[in-house]
Amino acid sequence: EAGVVQSPRYKIIEKKQPVAFWCNPISGHNTLYWYLQNLGQGPELLIRYENEEAVDDSQLPKDRFSAERLKGVDSTLKIQPAELGDSAVYLCASSLGPTGELFFGEGSRLTVL
Amino acid sequence: GENVEQHPSTLSVQEGDSAVIKCTYSDSASNYFPWYKQELGKGPQLIIDIRSNVGEKKDQRIAVTLNKTAKHFSLHITETQPEDSAVYFCAASRAGSSNTGKLIFGQGTTLQVKP
Repeated sequence: EAGVVQSPRYKIIEKKQPVAFWCNPISGHNTLYWYLQNLGQGPELLIRYENEEAVDDSQLPKDRFSAERLKGVDSTLKIQPAELGDSAVYLCASSLGPTGELFFGEGSRLTVL
Repeated sequence: GENVEQHPSTLSVQEGDSAVIKCTYSDSASNYFPWYKQELGKGPQLIIDIRSNVGEKKDQRIAVTLNKTAKHFSLHITETQPEDSAVYFCAASRAGSSNTGKLIFGQGTTLQVKP
C-alpha cells in the first residue's frame, strides 16, 4: 500500500513568490497533519484536519499561510508571499483517526532565495 | 505550553554497544510519549511509544522508560547496528480518549553507529 505522498519534493523560489505543496494521505486515513521542520529541529504542527474540517490551526501563520482539504482526502498548503524564513521542510502526515499512529510523508523541502 | 528537551544532540557509539537518549517534559498532564526515527531525506517513522500508565515498554532491541515524577523518559537501543544510524526524536502530548493530542517534539539526537 502506498504511503503518504507529497509533492514537490524540492522547491526553490525567490522571496515574495507564492508556493504550494500537495499531500495525498494513506487511503482511508481521515486525519491529516501539516508539520514544519526547520533544519536541525523537530517537527512543529501547523494544522490538523479531521476529514475536511481544520480542528487545530492555531500554529498556522494565517497572514501568509493557507491550507485546504476540500473533499477530505488530499490537501494543499500554500504560502503567499514566501519569506526567507520560510525555508524549511514541510511534512504531511496522516492517521487512521485522531488516536492512530502518525505516518509521515518524505516532505517538501522549500528554499526561499 | 509543553516544552520537550532532548539530550544529547549527537551520539556516536560502536556497533554492538548500547545507546541511550533522554528527554524531559514540562507539562505534568502529558500522557503520551512516542519516539520517532528519521533517516536522511525521509519523514519521521514511529518506532515505539509509551503512555503514562506504564513505566517501561520493550520491543526487541529498543525500550522506552518513563519516570512521571521526574518528568523524563528515555529511549534505549541495545546491540546497535549501522542501520540504527539516524536522527531520533522524542515527543510528548496530552492524549485524550478520542485523540493523540498535539505532539510537541524534542530537538532531535543524531545517532551514529560506527562499524
